[in-house]
Amino acid sequence: KNEVEQSPQNLTAQEGEFITINCSYSVGISALHWLQQHPGGGIVSLFMLSSGKKKHGRLIATINIQEKHSSLHITASHPRDSAVYICAVGETSGSRLTFGEGTQLTVNP
Amino acid sequence: NAGVTQTPKFQVLKTGQSMTLQCAQDMNHEYMSWYRQDPGMGLRLIHYSVGAGITDQGEVPNGYNVSRSTTEDFPLRLLSAAPSQTSVYFCASSYSFRAREQYFGPGTRLTVT
Repeated sequence: KNEVEQSPQNLTAQEGEFITINCSYSVGISALHWLQQHPGGGIVSLFMLSSGKKKHGRLIATINIQEKHSSLHITASHPRDSAVYICAVGETSGSRLTFGEGTQLTVNP
Repeated sequence: NAGVTQTPKFQVLKTGQSMTLQCAQDMNHEYMSWYRQDPGMGLRLIHYSVGAGITDQGEVPNGYNVSRSTTEDFPLRLLSAAPSQTSVYFCASSYSFRAREQYFGPGTRLTVT
């Protein structure tokens, strides 16, 4: 079983829909990261959080430390949001990030 | 700032050849790392460094070597390329490991024939 599980693996939405991507992990963490990988391959950090909720534009990330679960929400989705969204956790012990397999999001016009 | 740079962008090697993937950052980041990304799998850590002169193995270190002689540079060496090393390689850096944003390079697509 992977230490970081994302769901769904693939998600297709219509423009304007509210989108949720989930991430569950099984280890104690110092921080959780949400990353975005565009079709061209580049990886960009969206959020890093260790508690509560963060918002940036139409993106919202939440984390529940007790339940070991995080969600990434996209409001009013747009075709330019089409990308792979990756969850990664930094463990409390050690100096490594462990990554989920990613969620491929496609937003159709 | 150029951020994290990687060279080359693409490379084709024959089995048994050696090469070095270059990674550099100009943000004075202490923590640098190398990952490989394969279809159907998450990014996997190859090697990492918490500062100049300090390196450690990640999840999949076999067949790779690293050194960190300066804060800026963290090259990844393939000692004897194998087809199983065909992958996309990403270098990343951050100010420190704990609770710090990670910055990724653009990636190197490597094919070993």
